[in-house]
Amino acid sequence: NAGVTQTPKFRVLKTGQSMTLLCAQDMNHEYMYWYRQDPGMGLRLIHYSVGEGTTAKGEVPDGYNVSRLKKQNFLLGLESAAPSQTSVYFCASTVRAAGGNSPLHFGNGTRLTVT
Amino acid sequence: AQSVTQLGSHVSVSEGALVLLRCNYSSSVPPYLFWYVQYPNQGLQLLLKYTTGATLVKGINGFEAEFKKSETSFHLTKPSAHMSDAAEYFCAVVPGSGNNRKLIWGLGTSLAVNP
Repeated sequence: NAGVTQTPKFRVLKTGQSMTLLCAQDMNHEYMYWYRQDPGMGLRLIHYSVGEGTTAKGEVPDGYNVSRLKKQNFLLGLESAAPSQTSVYFCASTVRAAGGNSPLHFGNGTRLTVT
Repeated sequence: AQSVTQLGSHVSVSEGALVLLRCNYSSSVPPYLFWYVQYPNQGLQLLLKYTTGATLVKGINGFEAEFKKSETSFHLTKPSAHMSDAAEYFCAVVPGSGNNRKLIWGLGTSLAVNP
């Protein structure tokens, strides 16, 4: 059982380049999330989705776009990368549950460097 | 605004010593509480969670946490540290009330275990 798979694992971009990070889950989870993790700042929510075809902004959405065309996939796009977007990006998913008591399942992250 | 505070961004213990990682939250209504662990170069995984019922919660790898409503705390403990416990630990809370019941993360505590 693969769980949550993120591709790629590492990427180096030049300022202004674009890229898409892919998250795939095989657990039939309704909810999916994109976080970024930076030293001393914990996890910050970028965007999330509560179901196929729906997306919503999190705490730090600027500079990112997302799409959830299929239930199992959640894509994070950077249209014009900036050095401030150098970070480790994590995708997570969970089942739909009233009140939010279901734990998140995380991928192993994508380490992105923007030069 | 709701918040989660993890006291001590870095904690160091000797192998075999007690591990105590502190987490306090701000919520007037009992929330759902989680501890996640992140090993180097990996995603986060659930250690344990409190939703309702018994306030002492046992998790994986010998960890446990106690929900203390009067102290608004959910401290993580392990009687005897092992070298393999070296990791980053995150406390997270879903507020017990309000319209926006999203997961709120602490900034994490890095645990070092010395031989």
